[in-house]
Amino acid sequence: EAQVTQNPRYLITVTGKKLTVTCSQNMNHEYMSWYRQDPGLGLRQIYYSMNVEVTDKGDVPEGYKVSRKEKRNFPLILESPSPNQTSLYFCASSYGLMNTEAFFGQGTRLTVV
Amino acid sequence: GQSLEQPSEVTAVEGAIVQINCTYQTSGFYGLSWYQQHDGGAPTFLSYNGLDGLEETGRFSSFLSRSDSYGYLLLQELQMKDSASYFCAPTGYQKVTFGTGTKLQVIP
Repeated sequence: EAQVTQNPRYLITVTGKKLTVTCSQNMNHEYMSWYRQDPGLGLRQIYYSMNVEVTDKGDVPEGYKVSRKEKRNFPLILESPSPNQTSLYFCASSYGLMNTEAFFGQGTRLTVV
Repeated sequence: GQSLEQPSEVTAVEGAIVQINCTYQTSGFYGLSWYQQHDGGAPTFLSYNGLDGLEETGRFSSFLSRSDSYGYLLLQELQMKDSASYFCAPTGYQKVTFGTGTKLQVIP
């Protein structure tokens, strides 16, 4: 089954404790990206990657890091989480670079206290 | 840059037809995609317009007019399960911007 898998689904952590949210896709997609979703603000892109070892900033990259060492994986790293990073996070992938159809992971609800 | 506008909320009656509009200001535009998201769920792809005109997929249709920088999603024979948020997103860009979404409430 074609899918994007994120883990964990829910996470509560404390300020400053480094964490990683994993994302994996099994569709051999070139393009992968991370979004955060907050009430009233819609989906905002954090980082994206057009292929292995090619990543770039989206609209809200501050406080986040990513890596793309393998085509299927695109982890999101919060080196020192803060309460303003409490949000619902989605990973997505799409074929090629036109982004006509994105496949989303199930989401990760992160709470930073 | 990209700028997208959608109505924030729409209410419609079960069995009726509803249209959700999306106006955009972008350069280098390629096409327009639409996504559905139920509360607590992930966005799922609904429809894509690469050319001007109407694309039909079952009860859902999507329309694009490049000359008017405008698109819409048309939902027919509304069902209660169509209550969700709907997002438009221009395609063909490395950076992706979604509209802020339209929350559709279907009432009996």
